[in-house]
Amino acid sequence: QVQLQESGPGLVKPSETLSLTCTVSGGSISSYYWSWIRQPPGKGLEWIGYVYHSGTTNYNPSLKSRVTISVDTSKNQFSLKLSSVTAADTAGYYCASSSPTPSSPFDIWGQGTMVTVSS
Amino acid sequence: SYELTQPLSVSVALGQTARITCGGNNIGSKNVHWYQQKPGQAPVLVIYRDSNRPSGIPERFSGSNSGNTATLTISRAQAGDEADYYCQVWDSSTVYVFGTGTKVTVL
Repeated sequence: QVQLQESGPGLVKPSETLSLTCTVSGGSISSYYWSWIRQPPGKGLEWIGYVYHSGTTNYNPSLKSRVTISVDTSKNQFSLKLSSVTAADTAGYYCASSSPTPSSPFDIWGQGTMVTVSS
Repeated sequence: SYELTQPLSVSVALGQTARITCGGNNIGSKNVHWYQQKPGQAPVLVIYRDSNRPSGIPERFSGSNSGNTATLTISRAQAGDEADYYCQVWDSSTVYVFGTGTKVTVL
């Protein structure tokens, strides 16, 4: 059974870059889309983007200019970088997987990690 | 961009049926997925591709999708069904989009 675990700093200063890593265990990072999804406190879910094991990416148009998602197949990890953060980027960040077809659901989720943007 | 609208809250009596709607332009032409999220936990997939249940999800959860509305139905509601529920689709312009979320309260 594939499991996902997010890791990274819980506090980031405004204007800096938020960096998170998701480690995939119990299976290979190949053959799936690996996504980042966030949820501001008390609010709904927002898809940030995904990476395929080949390195192919797709981003939410509203965040595209600030987002980079990459994959390290040797470590079975994928990562999120979100630049020029503001308080509006304070949220719980989840990594999730889906089959590599557009109509597929997010069937496996990490437990999530809270990131606060504050000086 | 594509938008999905859900009621803010739905209340249901213990043992009765709750219906949560998800509205979107011609949503009936898309595959709709539903997630359950309990406080402090990650979302869990409860219905995929309109009406399919993943392994381990009770038969009490069912889904339908037609026209401009998709519906998640919870039959014989239990206290453990209290949670936030989100619909989700894929759209060529917005890619993956989630609904606004519905808080279900079991009375």
